[in-house]
Amino acid sequence: EAQVTQNPRYLITVTGKKLTVTCSQNMNHEYMSWYRQDPGLGLRQIYYSMNVEVTDKGDVPEGYKVSRKEKRNFPLILESPSPNQTSLYFCASRDSYYGYTFGSGTRLTVV
Amino acid sequence: AQSVSQHNHHVILSEAASLELGCNYSYGGTVNLFWYVQYPGQHLQLLLKYFSGDPLVKGIKGFEAEFIKSKFSFNLRKPSVQWSDTAEYFCAVNAVPNTGNQFYFGTGTSLTVIP
Repeated sequence: EAQVTQNPRYLITVTGKKLTVTCSQNMNHEYMSWYRQDPGLGLRQIYYSMNVEVTDKGDVPEGYKVSRKEKRNFPLILESPSPNQTSLYFCASRDSYYGYTFGSGTRLTVV
Repeated sequence: AQSVSQHNHHVILSEAASLELGCNYSYGGTVNLFWYVQYPGQHLQLLLKYFSGDPLVKGIKGFEAEFIKSKFSFNLRKPSVQWSDTAEYFCAVNAVPNTGNQFYFGTGTSLTVIP
């Protein structure tokens, strides 16, 4: 089944403790993105990647890092999480012509 | 800059009412158009898409959308909504071909259907 797999689904952490949210797709898509969703603000893109080793900032990249060492994986790294990064995060992938397929989301709470 | 506008932020309807959600985009080239739905507590799922051909596209669960190129619009419609249609709806535009990051989401419309 074509899908984007994110883990974990729920995560509660403390301020400053590094964490990684994993994302993997099995569709051989070139493009992958991370979005955060907050009430009233819609979807905001954090980072995107056009291929292996090619990444770039989206609209709200501060406080986040990504890497794309393999085509299928695109982890999101929070080196020092802060409470304002409490949000719902989605990973998504697509090819050049079609729309995004989304992962199930990760609800992160930073206390 | 390219953008997608969804004019209705929050819509409340009674069951069996008709629905139309507006979506306008600003992009001068060829586009693919999408509507996504996000049910409470879930991720975004594709509702329908337009690539080319008949500008009236039909999606799942009785939804349809019409592409009007001259108006840069892609409005979502459903003749008779159900309580289970309560969700957030996102319009999206993909530049064709998209060799960069030219995929844009609207800010979403929250639909509440009252039984």
